[in-house]
Amino acid sequence: ETGVTQTPRHLVMGMTNKKSLKCEQHLGHNAMYWYKQSAKKPLELMFVYSLEERVENNSVPSRFSPECPNSSHLFLHLHTLQPEDSALYLCASSQEKGIGGYTFGSGTRLTVV
Amino acid sequence: GQNIDQPTEMTATEGAIVQINCTYQTSGFNGLFWYQQHAGEAPTFLSYNVLDGLEEKGRFSSFLSRSKGYSYLLLKELQMKDSASYLCAVRGGGDDYKLSFGAGTTVTVRA
Repeated sequence: ETGVTQTPRHLVMGMTNKKSLKCEQHLGHNAMYWYKQSAKKPLELMFVYSLEERVENNSVPSRFSPECPNSSHLFLHLHTLQPEDSALYLCASSQEKGIGGYTFGSGTRLTVV
Repeated sequence: GQNIDQPTEMTATEGAIVQINCTYQTSGFNGLFWYQQHAGEAPTFLSYNVLDGLEEKGRFSSFLSRSKGYSYLLLKELQMKDSASYLCAVRGGGDDYKLSFGAGTTVTVRA
């Protein structure tokens, strides 16, 4: 247990479905991140929230919609996804500034059919 | 932009030593991290270097040369449980606290 919890661990959804991924951290961190991890590729930064404000959106398609209601919770809302969106979605948290790195959750393995 | 390169795969024998290299070209530099990720699990922190030199932590050591844009992770006395993916990540300079990652190196330890 890393202190960052992601649910669900696995998700299979059709292209017309709507689902949400949830991330929760109990580390007192004030920055949270969504990354996409595809096989043999670097982690792709999708969204960054600092103090509950979205500070970065790396040209992510609008079918991905993040939400950060407070500093401990982060959601990724999914709708009308494509098969190429199948990947491992990792949530991480950190102190916004400082020498620490990230603490990651175990990820949600998403399969779009 | 950020460019971080590391080998895709490495194989070694139990009890041996393996060195995973990472080269980076980034806009600014404020530290380099190594993470270990077992299949289906979260990446976990292994080491952090911000100054040149070697940081040793048990069987794992990490080296940094900022002038060369180069780091390596050294795994000694390999064990089967060390089979995993190893991610090199760099934090940019200034107020940029975000990490940029390499694609990871999959290490397979054979008996």
